[in-house]
Amino acid sequence: GNSVTQMEGPVTLSEEAFLTINCTYTATGYPSLFWYVQYPGEGLQLLLKATKADDKGSNKGFEATYRKETTSFHLEKGSVQVSDSAVYFCALLTRGYGNKLVFGAGTILRVKS
Amino acid sequence: EADIYQTPRYLVIGTGKKITLECSQTMGHDKMYWYQQDPGMELHLIHYSYGVNSTEKGDLSSESTVSRIRTEHFPLTLESARPSHTSQYLCASSEYGGFSGDSEAFFGQGTRLTVV
Repeated sequence: GNSVTQMEGPVTLSEEAFLTINCTYTATGYPSLFWYVQYPGEGLQLLLKATKADDKGSNKGFEATYRKETTSFHLEKGSVQVSDSAVYFCALLTRGYGNKLVFGAGTILRVKS
Repeated sequence: EADIYQTPRYLVIGTGKKITLECSQTMGHDKMYWYQQDPGMELHLIHYSYGVNSTEKGDLSSESTVSRIRTEHFPLTLESARPSHTSQYLCASSEYGGFSGDSEAFFGQGTRLTVV
């Protein structure tokens, strides 16, 4: 079946540090890939997405590249801020009518000033 | 900004009560989803719908039920609430895109349910 595996957290970084959160997936066909962010007490917000191999999604300084050969979609940011503290979810969506959105377990990011 | 709304945001209710969590979207999306989020953050799909009169059980068994009588509305009902139902419930919708791929899912702010 389809699945997403994320690195376990929490990830604790100092402000301006480099961030990587690993995400790998298993899916039939060619899924779209997403990163969602959840701030405390809120629902999920789309952070970025990529719909085909080698696409790079980017938003708010975050980037992730769809790597078909390694079935990965790692999230990166060059310089994190305290305001980036949140839970990050990697997700996939296969194509076609019967598809469902499948999430990873989420990774807590804590950024210290 | 996403046009998907959940009410109430917070609900504390006694055991045995019937409750309905509301979810509405104004984007005309065909697909809607309910997720249960446990304290460990993990999201579990409990129900989804591909359109009016379509409802399916998700990956996590749930005692709740859903209905989809109108495109914009996807309420979730618990006939008899129990403490084990205490959780955060998130509703989402997306636009079906066929083999070009769906749009991303848009989420409501969630309902935090506490059953005492």
